[in-house]
Amino acid sequence: QVQLQESGPGLLKPSGTLSLTCAVSGGSFSSSHWWSWVRQPPGKGLEWIGEVYHSGSTTYNPALKSRVTISLDKSKTQFSLNLSSVTAADTAVYFCARVSGWAAFDIWGQGTMVTVSS
Amino acid sequence: EIVLTQSPGTLSLSAGERATLSCRASQSVSNSYLAWYQKKPGQAPRLLIYGASSRATGIPDRFSGSGSGTDFTLTISRLEPEDFAVYYCQQYGSSPLVTFGQGTRLEIK
Repeated sequence: QVQLQESGPGLLKPSGTLSLTCAVSGGSFSSSHWWSWVRQPPGKGLEWIGEVYHSGSTTYNPALKSRVTISLDKSKTQFSLNLSSVTAADTAVYFCARVSGWAAFDIWGQGTMVTVSS
Repeated sequence: EIVLTQSPGTLSLSAGERATLSCRASQSVSNSYLAWYQKKPGQAPRLLIYGASSRATGIPDRFSGSGSGTDFTLTISRLEPEDFAVYYCQQYGSSPLVTFGQGTRLEIK
């Protein structure tokens, strides 16, 4: 079955760029799915960041749109998140997830903690 | 922007009891694209319900979802010890494309 695994630096400095990758294994990456990023700051709820379609089309949360880029690499069966100009408010656990045909997140990565601190 | 408001914020119940969690949307949710998740510390969210009322694969039948338009409910018929967690509702389709409720914490009484 499809599995997702996030990877990337766990610590970065303010004003830097957060870069994470989600590796997709165990299934077809070329199927008609959207692939998404969601985050959860410590002690807070879930926040959707954005998503990428297998064609490369993207949709972003308007609150983050100016700083976010999500892309996919079919040859490597992975998709990526770049978030620029980070601040302490971007400290969170970042999850990658697959969007099902019913617009629900049916498969999730385990999550990776990213801390922004000087 | 569509806002999802979950109530109560915290629900204190005992194992074996029935839990009823509410999710109210500020606007009608498109095509009943409303989902429910269970979230435990250190774990990824787990999809329970999609399309407002369909159980995801492997979800026990004590979990059920209902509702349409702006009012949705997640019901857990008989609480098991492993059900104590935070529950989130989520909508898809209105700008921003995806929003989550703020969560309901289900705790052991």
